[in-house]
Amino acid sequence: ETGVTQTPRHLVMGMTNKKSLKCEQHLGHNAMYWYKQSAKKPLELMFVYNFKEQTENNSVPSRFSPECPNSSHLFLHLHTLQPEDSALYLCASSRPGQPSGNTIYFGEGSWLTVV
Amino acid sequence: DAKTTQPPSMDCAEGRAANLPCNHSTISGNEYVYWYRQIHSQGPQYIIHGLKNNETNEMASLIITEDRKSSTLILPHATLRDTAVYYCIVPYNFNKFYFGSGTKLNVKP
Repeated sequence: ETGVTQTPRHLVMGMTNKKSLKCEQHLGHNAMYWYKQSAKKPLELMFVYNFKEQTENNSVPSRFSPECPNSSHLFLHLHTLQPEDSALYLCASSRPGQPSGNTIYFGEGSWLTVV
Repeated sequence: DAKTTQPPSMDCAEGRAANLPCNHSTISGNEYVYWYRQIHSQGPQYIIHGLKNNETNEMASLIITEDRKSSTLILPHATLRDTAVYYCIVPYNFNKFYFGSGTKLNVKP
């Protein structure tokens, strides 16, 4: 248990569906992250939020729409996805600006299959 | 892109120390080095991090060279459960953690 909870753990969706992934952290952090990991590939940083403000969008297609309503919650809204978007989506959180560093903690991930 | 380079794979006998190297030659003076591992595509697990001094916790030790251009993660007594991909990371702007391909550690009986 890392203090970062992702739901659902598994999701199957059609290419015309709209679904959302949810992430919640109970660590008092103020930065949250979305990563994508396709099969046998390194993790790809998608989005970074600091104090609810998006500070990084790593050229992610608009069919992925993040939302950060507060520092504890992060959503990834999915719309009109392609089969190649099937992957493990990982959420993480951290508290930047600490003198001891900025360790990020990951959730267990949401497995997404697009059919 | 990741700011570190690591060997793609390493083998280690069970019960022996596993020493995983990492090069980060462009690291600046106030940047930390972080180590994570990932088992069977679960979420990456934080192991340890350091700035200048060597660090030790219940999981591992981190040895950083004096010039800070490289480091070594040491698992003192590797077990089969330590088989995983190990990532060495120096973040951009302190909070952008880019993962490279890491080192696949195979612990063998």
